[in-house]
Amino acid sequence: DGGITQSPKYLFRKEGQNVTLSCEQNLNHDAMYWYRQDPGQGLRLIYYSQIVNDFQKGDIAEGYSVSREKKESFPLTVTSAQKNPTAFYLCASSIDGYEQYFGPGTRLTVT
Amino acid sequence: EDQVTQSPEALRLQEGESSSLNCSYTVSGLRGLFWYRQDPGKGPEFLFTLYSAGEEKEKERLKATLTKKESFLHITAPKPEDSATYLCAVRDRGSTLGRLYFGRGTQLTVWP
Repeated sequence: DGGITQSPKYLFRKEGQNVTLSCEQNLNHDAMYWYRQDPGQGLRLIYYSQIVNDFQKGDIAEGYSVSREKKESFPLTVTSAQKNPTAFYLCASSIDGYEQYFGPGTRLTVT
Repeated sequence: EDQVTQSPEALRLQEGESSSLNCSYTVSGLRGLFWYRQDPGKGPEFLFTLYSAGEEKEKERLKATLTKKESFLHITAPKPEDSATYLCAVRDRGSTLGRLYFGRGTQLTVWP
């Protein structure tokens, strides 16, 4: 089955630690995206990538980093510089930059 | 300033009571308007894409329409399983790499 997988579903970290969220797709999509979702807010774009080894900052990139070494993979690192990292993180992909298809999400809790 | 505004924030309907959700946008040139359904704790599920004013799309009890400034998601005779948050997103003419702007969503609850 084609789709987008994110792991883990739940992630707990201590403040001051970096953490990496996984996103993999087997849809052969070129574009991939990371969003953050907080209660009562819309999805906010963190980073996006159109091709391997190229990515752009979204609206809230501070405290986050990404890599795109393979077409299928777009991991997101939440660094200790991110002041409010607790949130629901969503990865998406798109074949043509129009419809985006989302993974199941990772809920990160930092204490 | 938000490019996409959804209303109402929350809507409670009795089963069978039809209604509409609104999505208004202020982007300069629309390249696509997208509707998603999101269940609690899950990723959004794609529903529809609309490209131009006057366009309509239907899927089961849902019908999406588009004008030059807003879109409506009409829900006909809803069932409890239609309960979810409905998200609207737009892509504008100046958008690079397909980035979308999302509204905050309408949380729909359908009770039996």
